[in-house]
Amino acid sequence: NAGVMQNPRHLVRRRGQEARLRCSPMKGHSHVYWYRQLPEEGLKFMVYLQKENIIDESGMPKERFSAEFPKEGPSILRIQQVVRGDSAAYFCASSQRTGDNEKLFFGSGTQLSVL
Amino acid sequence: AQTVTQSQPEMSVQEAETVTLSCTYDTSESDYYLFWYKQPPSRQMILVIRQEAYKQQNATENRFSVNFQKAAKSFSLKISDSQLGDAAMYFCAYRGSLNYGGSQGNLIFGKGTKLSVKP
Repeated sequence: NAGVMQNPRHLVRRRGQEARLRCSPMKGHSHVYWYRQLPEEGLKFMVYLQKENIIDESGMPKERFSAEFPKEGPSILRIQQVVRGDSAAYFCASSQRTGDNEKLFFGSGTQLSVL
Repeated sequence: AQTVTQSQPEMSVQEAETVTLSCTYDTSESDYYLFWYKQPPSRQMILVIRQEAYKQQNATENRFSVNFQKAAKSFSLKISDSQLGDAAMYFCAYRGSLNYGGSQGNLIFGKGTKLSVKP
């Protein structure tokens, strides 16, 4: 059973371009979470999605950022018109179901560098 | 709002020795979960240990154990018989109980402690 897969592992974009980060959850997992890690910081929650639904987007910037988790295919975190401050590691995690005892499994992240 | 504080940016331990990493948190909730995650250079976040606030017994996983002091809001991680493979960033994290409005994936992380293990 493959773990949470994120690609690309590294992504370089120039200011103003779009960045698309992909996350394939573990097999059988229908809950996906995105986190951002700035340099020298811990991970910060961005958004929680279930298939085709956004459940909690309280950590998502209001502009330029969007996320989806379609019925088929990976979850996508999209950042439009990237700026240097978007440079960070973006992590995806997944879980099989909701519940206090449910464990999150993390991917290895996508390092976004904005030139 | 809940906060998690790790006051030790870096720690060092001799191989086979014991080291304790500190974590304090702030919350007004009575039911919650606390976690320690390990992040090696590969960047993947690996769950080390988990503590449920309503359990008084300290969680243990092999060489890893916690000292959970609920009244003091302290949650330290003890690593016994340290190994070279333990070298990594360690993050303490908090999550409110779903029964009290917490969001399952909304973990609140500290800034981390970088642990070095000397041979």
